[in-house]
Amino acid sequence: AQKITQTQPGMFVQEKEAVTLDCTYDTSDPSYGLFWYKQPSSGEMIFLIYQGSYDQQNATEGRYSLNFQKARKSANLVISASQLGDSAMYFCAMRVPYPNSNSGYALNFGKGTSLLVTP
Amino acid sequence: ETGVTQSPTHLIKTRGQQVTLRCSSQSGHNTVSWYQQALGQGPQFIFQYYREEENGRGNFPPRFSGLQFPNYSSELNVNALELDDSALYLCASSPASRNNEQFFGPGTRLTVL
Repeated sequence: AQKITQTQPGMFVQEKEAVTLDCTYDTSDPSYGLFWYKQPSSGEMIFLIYQGSYDQQNATEGRYSLNFQKARKSANLVISASQLGDSAMYFCAMRVPYPNSNSGYALNFGKGTSLLVTP
Repeated sequence: ETGVTQSPTHLIKTRGQQVTLRCSSQSGHNTVSWYQQALGQGPQFIFQYYREEENGRGNFPPRFSGLQFPNYSSELNVNALELDDSALYLCASSPASRNNEQFFGPGTRLTVL
């Protein structure tokens, strides 16, 4: 089964500090993609960062970086220099191919981690 | 480039009723996916449409159905509503040429009483 596990229901971090949100995955497919999304209280899922299984380097996007450890099947999100606006739910997701699919794919999401940034 | 929009924002229905939720894809995107997000959970994939045809489906019963129109806007229909259908329904569009990105709308919050 292709599954995403986020073991941290909630995390606290002080403003300007770095924080790591954990994500482990399970798949037998050699080709896969991993995503992180941010969901503020408004509900919209905001794309943060993507890592492909064949990418040689860890993905980075501004203050976000992905610590991809393929052998351990983990794809942790690192947020550097936390800001108050980073307080939100964070979801790790894995791209799942569907049979007879002509285009696109579905995302399997974890249960999420609630991050609270304190002053 | 306009983003993904959804309507309505909030909706209250009673058990047994039917509901239609709408999604307008981002310009140039021909693939749309629908997700259900129950309170405190991650989104669950309902189905996906590509060029007006269902392209993939998650573990949802047939009373969840959809449509995609020539302009790539989309509808999610749910018949015989149950209390457990109360959730945030998210629509996501993606361009066929860049399948690594799904752009989500703000969602429709459905409450079934």
